Amino acid sequence: GAGVSQSPSNKVTEKGKDVELRCDPISGHTALYWYRQSLGQGLEFLIYFQGNSAPDKSGLPSDRFSAERTGGSVSTLTIQRTQQEDSAVYLCASSNRGPGNTGELFFGEGSRLTVL
Amino acid sequence: AQTVTQSQPEMSVQEAETVTLSCTYDTSENNYYLFWYKQPPSRQMILVIRQEAYKQQNATENRFSVNFQKAAKSFSLKISDSQLGDTAMYFCAFMKFGSGTYKYIFGTGTRLKVLA
Repeated sequence: GAGVSQSPSNKVTEKGKDVELRCDPISGHTALYWYRQSLGQGLEFLIYFQGNSAPDKSGLPSDRFSAERTGGSVSTLTIQRTQQEDSAVYLCASSNRGPGNTGELFFGEGSRLTVL
Repeated sequence: AQTVTQSQPEMSVQEAETVTLSCTYDTSENNYYLFWYKQPPSRQMILVIRQEAYKQQNATENRFSVNFQKAAKSFSLKISDSQLGDTAMYFCAFMKFGSGTYKYIFGTGTRLKVLA
């Protein structure tokens, strides 16, 4: 696609349920990032994928959070047993690491998660 | 570890006036990129301007320019002739270059409101 696509745009769930958030990066971008943005706050790094390398999971806040990237393209962020403090906007971004790399991150519009 | 500090949580400026947003960072690295991203109320983050640390010349993009002071580790954004559409959250970001792990560190943001 032309840009980074995220779904769902909004998700309301009950405490204790599992949720999956999807990110479809720009075609050809080898790097993919997940960030969490709580209301009015900055961006909290969650996880980073680069090509076929092992992901950098250093930002995942607990073992309830996991992410995968299949075929080097689409990524899914899964939150198990959601809690109210998980409520936030989850942003996905991709970047080109090939020739002409400018370092720019291209962001999706985010998935707003509300845990009741 | 690298840190990025934006000391102005909120700012306002009259339409057509000039405003400067401040950003300082802390790093022992020599090769890195700095960025300013804009997040309008619609939520999607977009790149405003970028600066390679090895370049002494300050980056400029139309009404947006930076004052990059490498020794002082300062990277301020100047918006000239402010427009209502500039109303947004602005994030300063740092990315280490050539590290193998391209992790971006974001500041906490400055909420800018342009007044008519």
